[in-house]
Amino acid sequence: QKEVEQDPGPLSVPEGAIVSLNCTYSNSAFQYFMWYRQYSRKGPELLMYTYSSGNKEDGRFTAQVDKSSKYISLFIRDSQPSDSATYLCAMSRRAAGNKLTFGGGTRVLVKP
Amino acid sequence: EADIYQTPRYLVIGTGKKITLECSQTMGHDKMYWYQQDPGMELHLIHYSYGVNSTEKGDLSSESTVSRIRTEHFPLTLESARPSHTSQYLCASSGYSGSYEQYFGPGTRLTVT
Repeated sequence: QKEVEQDPGPLSVPEGAIVSLNCTYSNSAFQYFMWYRQYSRKGPELLMYTYSSGNKEDGRFTAQVDKSSKYISLFIRDSQPSDSATYLCAMSRRAAGNKLTFGGGTRVLVKP
Repeated sequence: EADIYQTPRYLVIGTGKKITLECSQTMGHDKMYWYQQDPGMELHLIHYSYGVNSTEKGDLSSESTVSRIRTEHFPLTLESARPSHTSQYLCASSGYSGSYEQYFGPGTRLTVT
């Protein structure tokens, strides 16, 4: 079983809808959580970084961490066709140094 | 803004050739990483470095080697390329003590024929 699970999608939504993405994980030691966006044939781009449980908002993006359920979420409000990409969750724990464990990514398609 | 560069962006090369993929960052980050990613698949860590003259193998076994002679430079070398090495190679860096986020370069797409 993978340490970090993420539905591969694709997730298709109409423009303007809320995109809801999530990851589950098995290692309770994870404390640092990230969301990356990756366009086709490009490197991942860091979107959100959160530490421990709680919510964080940045523009149209909201990241949530629920450590008790080992579940993290990313919400994209007012989605645009330019949000069409693969979204990767990643997490780390103090004992792993700065090494990240990635989910497999969810492909999102926002239709005009 | 994070500045991390990879060259070449695309490389098609024959079996048996030696290749070096370049990665440089201008952020002064001490930690650097190489990942391998097949299309539609997960990122797998193949090498990392926590500073000059420090290199470690990652979670995925790789026939490539790396060096870290300068803080800003982290090249990856394949002594003898094979078709099984065909993949996308992504370089990343992260900075400061207590900082866990990594910043990625644009990647090198390698095809070995």
